[in-house]
Amino acid sequence: KAGVTQTPRYLIKTRGQQVTLSCSPISGHRSVSWYQQTPGQGLQFLFEYFSETQRNKGNFPGRFSGRQFSNSRSEMNVSTLELGDSALYLCASSLLPSMNEELFFGSGTQLSVL
Amino acid sequence: DQQVKQNSPSLSVQEGRISILNCDYTNSMFDYFLWYKKYPAEGPTFLISISSIKDKNEDGRFTVFLNKSAKHLSLHIVPSQPGDSAVYFCAASAPFGNQGGKLIFGQGTELSVKP
Repeated sequence: KAGVTQTPRYLIKTRGQQVTLSCSPISGHRSVSWYQQTPGQGLQFLFEYFSETQRNKGNFPGRFSGRQFSNSRSEMNVSTLELGDSALYLCASSLLPSMNEELFFGSGTQLSVL
Repeated sequence: DQQVKQNSPSLSVQEGRISILNCDYTNSMFDYFLWYKKYPAEGPTFLISISSIKDKNEDGRFTVFLNKSAKHLSLHIVPSQPGDSAVYFCAASAPFGNQGGKLIFGQGTELSVKP
């Protein structure tokens, strides 16, 4: 079956703009998590959604938001982009929340903020 | 506040030798630890895990050791193969209700296995 699909793969934006990233989980998976990967910081947890509800949130400013739709697809939005938001954004899905051994990651969206 | 730390950004090892990747953590509530492997242009994939009630878990060439008193874990790869060259992330989680089972990752260690 198809893996976790993230679109777009690459994105270039300028400071102050906003961006929306999309994630389609593996069919049947209802939990979606988002992570930010930057050099030197590793993967930092953004948020987790399950059944259209945000179940958990990391330590990111309110400019970072997300949502999950009834088909389990998820989007994350970053408003008022800053240079420091340049990163690889990874989405991961699992059948249920916190099934960390059964967490499948997408290839990510590489965001560059100029 | 980096609760999970991988202090070696990179490691180079000869094919056939042992690779040892290290990870330290600060939160004593962490009860489950995982290692993920990431190739360029791909997402991380789960490699091996260990519960805090154990001190060792083995899966083929991969063994994870946990030292709770030192808040330290390590991943041993024996023998190392060129296909093992990747970035390895250590991750930890606490019981639901304490940071809710979310994964806290380290910064990653890039392993290079030379033929």
